[in-house]
Amino acid sequence: GNSVTQMEGPVTLSEEAFLTINCTYTATGYPSLFWYVQYPGEGLQLLLKATKADDKGSNKGFEATYRKETTSFHLEKGSVQVSDSAVYFCALNLLQGAQKLVFGQGTRLTINP
Amino acid sequence: DTAVSQTPKYLVTQMGNDKSIKCEQNLGHDTMYWYKQDSKKFLKIMFSYNNKELIINETVPNRFSPKSPDKAHLNLHINSLELGDSAVYFCASSQGEGTGELFFGEGSRLTVL
Repeated sequence: GNSVTQMEGPVTLSEEAFLTINCTYTATGYPSLFWYVQYPGEGLQLLLKATKADDKGSNKGFEATYRKETTSFHLEKGSVQVSDSAVYFCALNLLQGAQKLVFGQGTRLTINP
Repeated sequence: DTAVSQTPKYLVTQMGNDKSIKCEQNLGHDTMYWYKQDSKKFLKIMFSYNNKELIINETVPNRFSPKSPDKAHLNLHINSLELGDSAVYFCASSQGEGTGELFFGEGSRLTVL
């Protein structure tokens, strides 16, 4: 089946630290990959995406590269801020038309000043 | 203007009751979804409608009945509520094929006592 596995949280870092949140996937086809972010009390919003191998998605200083050989899509940021504190979800999408996103379990990130 | 809005945001009710959650989107999207987020933040798709037609139904108990009166609205009715139904329910919408970008509402937290 199709699934997404993220690194276990919670993750706590100091401001300006380097961030990596690992994500690996299993898919029967050739998926598109996504990172969504959920800030406290809000719904999810798309952070970045990549639709084919070696594509790099980037937004707000975050980056992730679609690695087909390792079936991974790790999220990175060079210098985190307190405002980055949120829950981060890795997801894959295989269907055309109906966007059936399969989410990972989410990783809670807390950034301390 | 809120793009995807859900009501109510909070709902506390007794086991055995019937309740509804409403969702409206003003983005002009063709497809709407219901996702369930459990206490561990795990997100799973329940239903998806495209232009008022059901296109995804993910093995959800038939106590859950979605209704889409038009493509801008997708309501969720739950009969005979059980303790395990306690969760945050997110409505989302998307447009077109292959983008993978879903726009989420802020969620409706259902607590069954």
